[in-house]
Parts: sequence; structure tokens; C-alpha cells
Amino acid sequence: SFDLTQPPSVSVAPGQTARIPCGGNNIGSELVHWYQHKPGQAPVLVVYNNDVRPSGIPERFSGSKSGGTATLIISRVEPGDEGDYYCQAWDSSFGGGTMLTVL
Amino acid sequence: VQLEQSGPEEKKPGASVKISCTTSGYTFIGYYIYWLRLAPGQGLEWIGRIDSKSGDTDSAPEFQGRVTLTRSMSMGVAYMELSSLRPDDAAVYYCARPGGPIWTRISYLEFWGRGTQVSVSS
Repeated sequence: SFDLTQPPSVSVAPGQTARIPCGGNNIGSELVHWYQHKPGQAPVLVVYNNDVRPSGIPERFSGSKSGGTATLIISRVEPGDEGDYYCQAWDSSFGGGTMLTVL
Repeated sequence: VQLEQSGPEEKKPGASVKISCTTSGYTFIGYYIYWLRLAPGQGLEWIGRIDSKSGDTDSAPEFQGRVTLTRSMSMGVAYMELSSLRPDDAAVYYCARPGGPIWTRISYLEFWGRGTQVSVSS
């Protein structure tokens, strides 16, 4: 089992906004990070410290946190955004991952 | 910053596997190296981490007793050895480095190796 809870899948049409939630006990007091993983590739950090975007990551990727839920927001979704997304909090807690499907 | 991992491994149940993670582009000492794995249909699983300077390690409860994390400070290489392999240990194993040195307490993993495929089958 995983310490952080994510929905198994999220589907969105191209150009729309995808929201991927991540919940967990006491997550409100912790920094949350997000990774994108595509088959055959290493995971890529897309958001860190709740809402900071690393250099090179498109502005379409953003993060927020409210209460006990952190959310990865992908605006103007593109087919290339398909993949699995994982949240992380603390040093060792990861969510089970959410598969993003672009319809 | 680059993390280069050793090649794919095929092992039988009960055997051990040792994966290396060769770092470059930064000063090895002062950073953690994390180890994680991704199994088919499963999520990203944290295995453990090693303090590159002291050699101190932390590992997930489910791996304690089976995983050994070591490093060579002189060569800038971290190693993960997993023993008593089971078929459900088949996965891609990753090493990763946080975005800042240990004293910053940064936990996000900014740099990743390309992964090492481990197969376990009789």
C-alpha cells in the first residue's frame, strides 16, 4: 500500500485541463512533489515544493495544495502529456500513481 | 549531473542482485542517493537511501534485511544489493539524487538514472 492516495486514472480531452489529486494524513504540513513517468524513461520532476516548476518544464504544469489534498494541474493538455504521474511527500512517501489518458 | 546505472540483470529466485549507480557532474559527498523501483502495474516504490559521506542508510520496512546500500566515495558510485529475490521483485530499479545537499533537507528527486531492469524467473 502507499502512504499517499491518488486516483488510478484521469482522462481528459486535448486542450482541456487535467487535475490529479494526492491526499494523505498530515500532507497539509508537508512539501509535495510531482513526477511524470513515461514507459521506458526515467521519471521526470515536474513540480516541487507544492507549486514550483523546475526549469524546462512547460508553464502548463502547476501545483496547488489545500488542506489535506495536493493537486497537479496540467493546462491545455497535449497528447504528449500522457503517462503516469506520482506525488511524493516527506522523504519516502509516494502515491500509487495516476495514469493520465488524453482522449 | 548524471547518474549512470549498470545493465539489465536476469536472476533466479533466491539469488541476489547488485546494481551500481555511477555519478558525475557534481561533488558526490554531501548528497543522498535514493533507490526506488517500478514494477509492472505497480507504483513507484521507495527502497531506501544512503548518505554518500557517512554511509548511513535508511530503508523501507519491507526491504529491511534484504537490501544493502553501499557507496564508494573515491569513485562516486552507489550500490544497491537485494537478496533472496522473488518473482515479484522483477522491476526497473532507479537511483536518484535530490535537488540539494543533505543539509538542505531537500527531498524532491531532481536527477535520475535511466533505470536497471531486473528479471526474476526460474
